Amino acid sequence: NAGVMQNPRHLVRRRGQEARLRCSPMKGHSHVYWYRQLPEEGLKFMVYLQKENIIDESGMPKERFSAEFPKEGPSILRIQQVVRGDSAAYFCASSPRGLYSTDTQYFGPGTRLTVL
Amino acid sequence: DAKTTQPPSMDCAEGRAANLPCNHSTISGNEYVYWYRQIHSQGPQYIIHGLKNNETNEMASLIITEDRKSSTLILPHATLRDTAVYYCIVRGMDSNYQLIWGAGTKLIIKP
Repeated sequence: NAGVMQNPRHLVRRRGQEARLRCSPMKGHSHVYWYRQLPEEGLKFMVYLQKENIIDESGMPKERFSAEFPKEGPSILRIQQVVRGDSAAYFCASSPRGLYSTDTQYFGPGTRLTVL
Repeated sequence: DAKTTQPPSMDCAEGRAANLPCNHSTISGNEYVYWYRQIHSQGPQYIIHGLKNNETNEMASLIITEDRKSSTLILPHATLRDTAVYYCIVRGMDSNYQLIWGAGTKLIIKP
C-alpha cells in the first residue's frame, strides 16, 4: 500500500517564477493537509482540503499561495512569484477522515523548494 | 503555540531503552497525545498515539500518567536509526486537525 507521494522532491526556482508542488494521498484517504517547515523549525500548518473543497486555509499566506484538491488527480500547492523567503520544505499529509475525527495524518517525503 | 514541552535534546546508548518525556499540563479530556519523529530531511513518521491508557505497538510504547498531564515515549531497544527529532503533539476532535508542532526532542543514539 503506497504511502503519501509528493513530487518533485527538490525544486529550484528563481525569484518571480511559479512553483507547483504535487501531493497524492494514501489510497482511501480523501483529506489532505499541507505544512511548511523552515530550516531548524517545526512544521507549520498551511491548509486543509477535501476533494474539491478548501476546509481551512488559515495558515496560508493571503497572497501568492493557493491550493486545490480536484476530484481527479493530486492536490496541488501553487506559489506564484516566489521569493527567497519561500525556500522551505513543504510536507503533505493525508487521513481517511478529517474534521471531528482523530484519524492519524500520514506524511509524504516532502518537497524542498529552493529559491535563488 | 504548542501545548507541549519537551527537553531539547537527549542521548541514549544503542541497545538501551530510550525514554522521551513530554509535559502537557493543559490537556483537556478529549485530547489525544500523538508522537511523530522526523529523521533528518525526511517527512514526519507517525509513531503512536493514546488518550489515557498506555499503548504499545511494534515501534514504541506510550505511557500516560493518570492525571494525563505528562507522558513518556519508550523505544525499547534503540538503534542508530532511531536518531531523530521526536515530537509530542496534543490534538482533539474539534478543529485540531491542525497539528501544532513544538521544537521536539533531538534524540541521539550513540554506539
